Amino acid sequence: SQKIEQNSEALNIQEGKTATLTCNYTNYSPAYLQWYRQDPGRGPVFLLLIRENEKEKRKERLKVTFDTTLKQSLFHITASQPADSATYLCALVYGNKLVFGAGTILRVKS
Amino acid sequence: GAVVSQHPSWVICKSGTSVKIECRSLDFQATTMFWYRQFPKQSLMLMATSNEGSKATYEQGVEKDKFLINHASLTLSTLTVTSAHPEDSSFYICSARDPTLSGLAGADTQYFGPGTRLTVL
Repeated sequence: SQKIEQNSEALNIQEGKTATLTCNYTNYSPAYLQWYRQDPGRGPVFLLLIRENEKEKRKERLKVTFDTTLKQSLFHITASQPADSATYLCALVYGNKLVFGAGTILRVKS
Repeated sequence: GAVVSQHPSWVICKSGTSVKIECRSLDFQATTMFWYRQFPKQSLMLMATSNEGSKATYEQGVEKDKFLINHASLTLSTLTVTSAHPEDSSFYICSARDPTLSGLAGADTQYFGPGTRLTVL
């Protein structure tokens, strides 16, 4: 069956450290993958998109990698700040739709 | 750019009543809008895909007669929860695509509204 898995446990890190979040998928062959941020009681906000032929994509303190052999994407936030605390969702494009993982809660402590 | 609004942001209703949620793309025309539902600590689940001027396409297990979707214009889609029951209480989120976008986001990126919290008593 098709699955998208993200770390189910919250990730707690110290301010200034790099946060690394994982997204694994099975039985999908996505053309690209997206990462979103979701704050409590709010809709997701688009962060980054990475295509299957791209190994890495960066935007300011954010970096995403995409390994289609491992069927995995890693999402990094460098120099993390308490304001980065949120739930981060990965999503695969599947046909005309986005299929979301359950998300990983990130807590950055000062 | 690519701002999507939803109204209301929250609503409380009695069991058996109907509730309408509006989704608007404010600065672009959205030929396709999507409706999702999210239960606490769970992922977004796609309910239906709404195309302007045509009938919505519902995901398996979503009752089309209970969740009525209308996409009458390029900037407005509505979701009506008919005869709502407590189990319909959830966070409803819409999204829209801007097919004119390219570059970093891509034409397939969805832009989400802030969500509507529905509580059915």
